Amino acid sequence: GENVEQHPSTLSVQEGDSAVIKCTYSDSASNYFPWYKQELGKRPQLIIDIRSNVGEKKDQRIAVTLNKTAKHFSLHITETQPEDSAVYFCAATPSNDYKLSFGAGTTVTVRA
Amino acid sequence: SQTIHQWPATLVQPVGSPLSLECTVEGTSNPNLYWYRQAAGRGLQLLFYSVGIGQISSEVPQNLSASRPQDRQFILSSKKLLLSDSGFYLCAWRRNGIGELFFGEGSRLTVL
Repeated sequence: GENVEQHPSTLSVQEGDSAVIKCTYSDSASNYFPWYKQELGKRPQLIIDIRSNVGEKKDQRIAVTLNKTAKHFSLHITETQPEDSAVYFCAATPSNDYKLSFGAGTTVTVRA
Repeated sequence: SQTIHQWPATLVQPVGSPLSLECTVEGTSNPNLYWYRQAAGRGLQLLFYSVGIGQISSEVPQNLSASRPQDRQFILSSKKLLLSDSGFYLCAWRRNGIGELFFGEGSRLTVL
């Protein structure tokens, strides 16, 4: 099955700086890569996703890049704000698999 | 639009007592349904998933069980709770095994 590794486990950034979270996956058949944000005590919610036919996707201050050859993908948050403080999870899945394989999560803290 | 509800939101149970968490999805048919558990400060552990009525796949052998008595209803149960069953339980659904995974609000279980 798919195995997703996520780094770093914790990340502290100054407000206004950028944050980058990296994930690697093992199954070359994986073609869907979502990122979820989980605020304290809340449910995880999708913030951005990318499919294997695209190398990069942006949505305002967040962007995701995908390198299929190296089997890794990254989340970039620019101009970080205090409300960006949360746990972020990456995930990967092949199209023929009902399950999403999640990374272990990254706790992001934005210092004011 | 589709919505997902799970209940109860919080519960405190003694060791050895039974458990029943319920989840329902509205606005869609034949969803793929999932139960995840999240221990404090940890990642998302997939417990069970279902691709149809009466079809349950178990990811982690333990004292929990799941059932899907109706198309949009998913129930997580235990006959005798253990201390290690404490955590944040999340129900989720996905359309035909593709695309975004939508999470319920979560149920916080404390076993004493």
